[in-house]
Amino acid sequence: DQQVKQNSPSLSVQEGRISILNCDYTNSMFDYFLWYKKYPAEGPTFLISISSIKDKNEDGRFTVFLNKSAKHLSLHIVPSQPGDSAVYFCAAKGVGNQGGKLIFGQGTELSVKP
Amino acid sequence: KAGVTQTPRYLIKTRGQQVTLSCSPISGHRSVSWYQQTPGQGLQFLFEYFSETQRNKGNFPGRFSGRQFSNSRSEMNVSTLELGDSALYLCASSSGGTGSTDTQYFGPGTRLTVL
Repeated sequence: DQQVKQNSPSLSVQEGRISILNCDYTNSMFDYFLWYKKYPAEGPTFLISISSIKDKNEDGRFTVFLNKSAKHLSLHIVPSQPGDSAVYFCAAKGVGNQGGKLIFGQGTELSVKP
Repeated sequence: KAGVTQTPRYLIKTRGQQVTLSCSPISGHRSVSWYQQTPGQGLQFLFEYFSETQRNKGNFPGRFSGRQFSNSRSEMNVSTLELGDSALYLCASSSGGTGSTDTQYFGPGTRLTVL
């Protein structure tokens, strides 16, 4: 039972264009969502997060949108740069003492071409 | 602040052996969570420790265990290693509050290879 899904294993975009990475979840008890960027053989790096009480959060070139009714979130990167090429993971967590447990999607490999 | 550190970075063991991995969290963080990353299963939660107590546990066999010390440093142990235990083991730390916006920050991981 995969509670967090990233249905696109890979995405390729041109430098300067928008990258949109998608994530769906099934558990309505999730209340905080995070995006991490990961290079091979390294740990994930935190990018941006969003609480379930919001529908949008921005940080520089990164914006995350949350649609609770559709149980869907997306990460927008504008403009995309070659250094953004990495695997992006969506993660979700629940409330209270379940907060230390992140449930991850399978990841989307983003390739930004010069 | 220094980030999360993990030692060793690489390990090679043979089947049947046991292994201990170490994690030092960000200063002031009281929660340490462990994850296993494999190509087939992705990133999976192993367990979380907070104030020296296991607070959450994932769906892994009892061969996987951990502990946390009073300085918040944590170790995880895998006994009777199997080939399928070959993976990148990641440690993450957070302040540990039960508020929903507590963010986890990851270390570089320990690459374990079981031969």
